[in-house]
Formats: sequence, structure tokens, C-alpha cells
Amino acid sequence: DAGITQSPRYKITETGRQVTLMCHQTWSHSYMFWYRQDLGHGLRLIYYSAAADITDKGEVPDGYVVSRSKTENFPLTLESATRSQTSVYFCASMVADGTEAFFGQGTRLTVV
Amino acid sequence: AQKVTQAQTEISVVEKEDVTLDCVYETRDTTYYLFWYKQPPSGELVFLIRRNSFDEQNEISGRYSWNFQKSTSSFNFTITASQVVDSAVYFCALKGFSFIFGKGTRLLVKP
Repeated sequence: DAGITQSPRYKITETGRQVTLMCHQTWSHSYMFWYRQDLGHGLRLIYYSAAADITDKGEVPDGYVVSRSKTENFPLTLESATRSQTSVYFCASMVADGTEAFFGQGTRLTVV
Repeated sequence: AQKVTQAQTEISVVEKEDVTLDCVYETRDTTYYLFWYKQPPSGELVFLIRRNSFDEQNEISGRYSWNFQKSTSSFNFTITASQVVDSAVYFCALKGFSFIFGKGTRLLVKP
């Protein structure tokens, strides 16, 4: 199916564990983004990528790692999950000229 | 640095009232895009509008209208004759070198 998909949709993990959230888009959009959404903070940018093998930090990158070896995939890894990383995570892709963006359905992550 | 400010955290109106959601942005880019998204209680992000920095024309789409003023770095969103289904969180966003969002405004439309 065409679009942008995130997996898993829901995840519960323990403090200290490594967890990877997946994001896959079928359009070959240049840009991809990861956000976390928390009450009172809106959507905060974690990392973004302008193209394969090019990534950059957003507003709240600490504790997260990203990679983009293929244009269509942009996984987000929490190297050692903390309770403060409990959040809803959204992935987005955007065409190179910035005119259109598409969002995944979100991943609800709970760190216990 | 880029920044998007939505000063109104929450707005409550009665159905059929008009309501304006404010958005003020900061950027040093000369070319940028501004967006509005709606997030209903179901949680997905719904695209409403995109404006580029060279197009200051106001836009109207049904009950929705947008006022873009570069002189005040604002991109305000007005809902005319609000309806209960308009209840949602609304986000303003800026695409320059990255793509950042304001904190959102929660709109509650009461019957």
C-alpha cells in the first residue's frame, strides 16, 4: 500500500532496554522527520533527514539515534529507554520542495 | 533559529461562533512554507493548508480562512460558524531548513 507507515503502533518496554521504532514511506520523498508529542509541548522535532545518509538533530535529540541508509526507511532508536521517553511518536515524509508533508499514524510508546 | 508560537493553549466557543487561532513564526529563511494541521480526538494529523513565503494572498475554503501577514510574521486561522466537529487540537507549522510545529491550540466547540 502506498503511504507512510509506522510500526509498531503500540509498544511497552522496560527502562534501560533498546527499542526501535520503524518508519517506511513508499513515495521516495527526500525529507523524513521524527517527532514526539507530549501534553503541553505539542509536536517536538527529534531528528530529521534531508536525504539518504543525511541526518540532523532537531529540538530534542538526546537519547535517540537515527539512521537513513535507504530513502524509504527512517528508523528511530532509543538506545536505553527512560520513563521520560514515554510519548506518542510521529514520523513524517515530505517532498524535496517542502510543499507537501505526510504523517504516519503514530506509535504510542510506554516505558515502564 | 526557527520558532512557531501558538499563544492560545485552549479556546472554548459555542457552536456557530467565529473563532481565530493565532500563529506567529520566526525564521531567517527567505523561502519557507507555513502549514496548519488538525488533530482530532482520534489522534491522526490532518493537513489543512500550506502557504509559501511568497504568497501573501488570504485563502478561504468553506468555513475556514487563513490570513498570512509577513509584516507581522503571522499566519492566523479563522473558523466561521464553528461546529462541534471542529473540536480538535490545531497546529501551525513552519518548513524552512527543518519542519517545526507550535504547541497547538485546543479548540472546544460546545453545542
